[in-house]
Amino acid sequence: GAVVSQHPSRVICKSGTSVKIECRSLDFQATTMFWYRQFPKQSLMLMATSNEGSKATYEQGVEKDKFLINHASLTLSTLTVTSAHPEDSSFYICSARPPPQGKNYGYTFGSGTRLTVV
Amino acid sequence: AQKVTQAQTEISVVEKEDVTLDCVYETRDTTYYLFWYKQPPSGELVFLIRRNSFDEQNEISGRYSWNFQKSTSSFNFTITASQVVDSAVYFCALMIPYSGAGSYQLTFGKGTKLSVIP
Repeated sequence: GAVVSQHPSRVICKSGTSVKIECRSLDFQATTMFWYRQFPKQSLMLMATSNEGSKATYEQGVEKDKFLINHASLTLSTLTVTSAHPEDSSFYICSARPPPQGKNYGYTFGSGTRLTVV
Repeated sequence: AQKVTQAQTEISVVEKEDVTLDCVYETRDTTYYLFWYKQPPSGELVFLIRRNSFDEQNEISGRYSWNFQKSTSSFNFTITASQVVDSAVYFCALMIPYSGAGSYQLTFGKGTKLSVIP
């Protein structure tokens, strides 16, 4: 249980175009999802917290207009990189906090999306 | 503010050796959760363990074991008889469960890249 599906896994786009990344909780409802960005050989940096039915909370330094987050349902959050530029190339990964399932449970992560802007 | 330090950037061991990955955390909160995640080359984060601040019992799961010591604010991870499949980046993370801004966010360490040489 507690599976998060993220699509696409890889995307190459031209500079100036927009890219949408989807994150779905398959077998549970996720009122809160998190979006991270990871540069090569670096740790995960939280970009924003996505709350179902309300505006996302962005971390300091993250451009709200560049990275649009929509959490329209309890099972789907989307991240849209608008007017992408080569410096937006990175690995984006989403996470959801599943309901507690006994003693040992953890945040579930999607498989990530590797975005390359050319 | 919360902080997680993984001082070991990269570790190489020969197969069947034991290896310990260090994690030191900082928080002023008395209630918190600690996590370990594995990130293989494919990129997906795999949940390994969660420990709450009130449970200092060490955990063993197969070849994996965790040593949680509040006195030193450490949550170290040991792999016994390492295997090539253990090669990955391992992240330690901290979460503070409180309401309001920043609630339930994971703070990650920078990760330790483990290479197991056959």
